[in-house]
Amino acid sequence: QQQVKQSPQSLIVQKGGISIINCAYENTAFDYFPWYQQFPGKGPALLIAIRPDVSEKKEGRFTISFNKSAKQFSLHIMDSQPGDSATYFCAASVISQNFVFGPGTRLSVLP
Amino acid sequence: GAVVSQHPSRVICKSGTSVKIECRSLDFQATTMFWYRQFPKQSLMLMATSNEGSKATYEQGVEKDKFLINHASLTLSTLTVTSAHPEDSSFYICSATGTGAFSPLHFGNGTRLTVT
Repeated sequence: QQQVKQSPQSLIVQKGGISIINCAYENTAFDYFPWYQQFPGKGPALLIAIRPDVSEKKEGRFTISFNKSAKQFSLHIMDSQPGDSATYFCAASVISQNFVFGPGTRLSVLP
Repeated sequence: GAVVSQHPSRVICKSGTSVKIECRSLDFQATTMFWYRQFPKQSLMLMATSNEGSKATYEQGVEKDKFLINHASLTLSTLTVTSAHPEDSSFYICSATGTGAFSPLHFGNGTRLTVT
């Protein structure tokens, strides 16, 4: 019940396209859902986060869509750029304690 | 944005020696710090959680006598890998949250440990 599932494992997108990464959870106590971007040899960096009282949050080219009833949330990267090529992790927590991370998605954006 | 500084970024040590990794929150008070281990192309594996001034809580399977964690202040936590062996070679990452209920989790840039 503590797992966060993430798909796809890897994703290849053309420059300018939309990258979509999906996550699902079981624990209804989770109330904070961040996304992280990690480049090789670096620590993860917080991209965007959402709480379940809203269904969508947008920051620049990054949008989180949240479906509370389905216990799913997704990251959309609009106008994907080669510089977006990285590994993306979704996560879930209960009031910023006990973060559970998805297995990650390796995104490659082709020039 | 909040900054977590981790040092060193890379360290090579001989088998049997100990290595200390420092993690500092530079512009916020970190009530809770987390230490993760990451294997190549894998997700983050939580090793332990530490709160300032109290003993760290270790995840199942993590040897507390091998991985010593000290959270001496609201801005500093250290991880000491004692009597390191080649199988301890990995990427270690610290992270920290602040005082708010939904305070974001911020990561350091990781330490690549190689034990020869």
